[in-house]
Order: sequence, then structure tokens, then C-alpha cells
Amino acid sequence: AQSVTQLDSQVPVFEEAPVELRCNYSSSVSVYLFWYVQYPNQGLQLLLKYLSGSTLVKGINGFEAEFNKSQTSFHLRKPSVHISDTAEYFCAVSGWGAAGNKLTFGGGTRVLVKP
Amino acid sequence: GAVVSQHPSWVICKSGTSVKIECRSLDFQATTMFWYRQFPKQSLMLMATSNEGSKATYEQGVEKDKFLINHASLTLSTLTVTSAHPEDSSFYICSVPPDSNYGYTFGSGTRLTVV
Repeated sequence: AQSVTQLDSQVPVFEEAPVELRCNYSSSVSVYLFWYVQYPNQGLQLLLKYLSGSTLVKGINGFEAEFNKSQTSFHLRKPSVHISDTAEYFCAVSGWGAAGNKLTFGGGTRVLVKP
Repeated sequence: GAVVSQHPSWVICKSGTSVKIECRSLDFQATTMFWYRQFPKQSLMLMATSNEGSKATYEQGVEKDKFLINHASLTLSTLTVTSAHPEDSSFYICSVPPDSNYGYTFGSGTRLTVV
């Protein structure tokens, strides 16, 4: 079984300030990790993913995340946010092998960028 | 990358009627598709996994007779909400398994409102 916890349900932040969205996971198998963004009434857009290799992953729109196996975390960061970054962000995990390809989502973090 | 087309984008139906939602893979063959449900301000919950040529696999607590899933071909999966009730009002999103380059790809979602 696998689970994902996003520690903050809402994060207000001022424009051009940095932001960090926290994500912790648990899994009995090795995992793939993802961050998605969702704008109102739209599907999900992939920001970045960790499959293997370098633990620092760079994604689109200036976002990056760091995989920390010992802390089972995959926190998302952006050094300077824009108004257009206002959206819902989901951390997700997928297991390998026999666990199948099911994607388990965290509860989401709503980012509100203020001018 | 992979493209998934989901229709309709939104639908309003009367209580007791049935609604069909389609999910198509446009440029590749998908033997498996996932169906998620998202209630307002909540995360995505996996409802079922559709498999081309065989029965769908439903998650615990999802009513098989209410949410009929058909994977008629390698490019089309459908979700039919039968005898819809207001509590079925939700955002439904389909997805295909991960591509090594692009991760999971999602449809644009369907907003169902039952009145």
C-alpha cells in the first residue's frame, strides 16, 4: 500500500516570493513521484517527476523538487512565484512492478499568489 | 507526448438518467485507462481501472453497477454513470499509464452536475 501526505492544504504567498509545498509519502516498494498542477475545472498538468537518478528534479514553469529517500519526502519549490501560479498542486506516487501503475494522490495544496 | 481526449467537458443531467463520458487516446494505443473522481476542493480518488478486452477493476467502495466502464477498443474507454443522483455530481478525469518521458497523461476532465 502507498499513501501521500501534503502537509499544507493552503499556502498564501506574495508575488515574487519563494514557495515550498511539502509532500511526504509511504510505500512498501520503490516509487515514482510526481507533482501535478490543476487550474479550475481543468485536468492535471505534469510539473515534474522523479523516476530515478539525480534527486533534484527540475520541471516546467521554474519549479523544482528534491527527492529525499531517508525522509520519504518530495517537496516542491519555486524561487519566485507569479500570479499565474495560483492553482491547486498535487503530489502523487506510483509503485513499481507488482504494485502496478496506480497513481495515489495527496490531498492537494491550494496556492494563492497575492499581488 | 501522449494526448488523451475526454468528452464532454461538462454535462448537466436530471436525476435518474444516465450519462456517458468518453476518454480517447489520440496518438497511441492504451490497453489500460484509469478513472478518477474529484469532489470539490478534494483530491482525486481512483475509481476503477479499465482494461481493453476484459472487465474493469473497481476500487473498494465503488459501485460496479452504478459506474459502468467499457474499454471497447485500444483507444476508447467509457464511463457511464447510471441512474445518476445529485451526490454523483463531481469532476471525473481519465488517465493513461505512464510513458517513460511524460509520466501519466490526463484527460481534461468532465464536470457532471445532476439536478
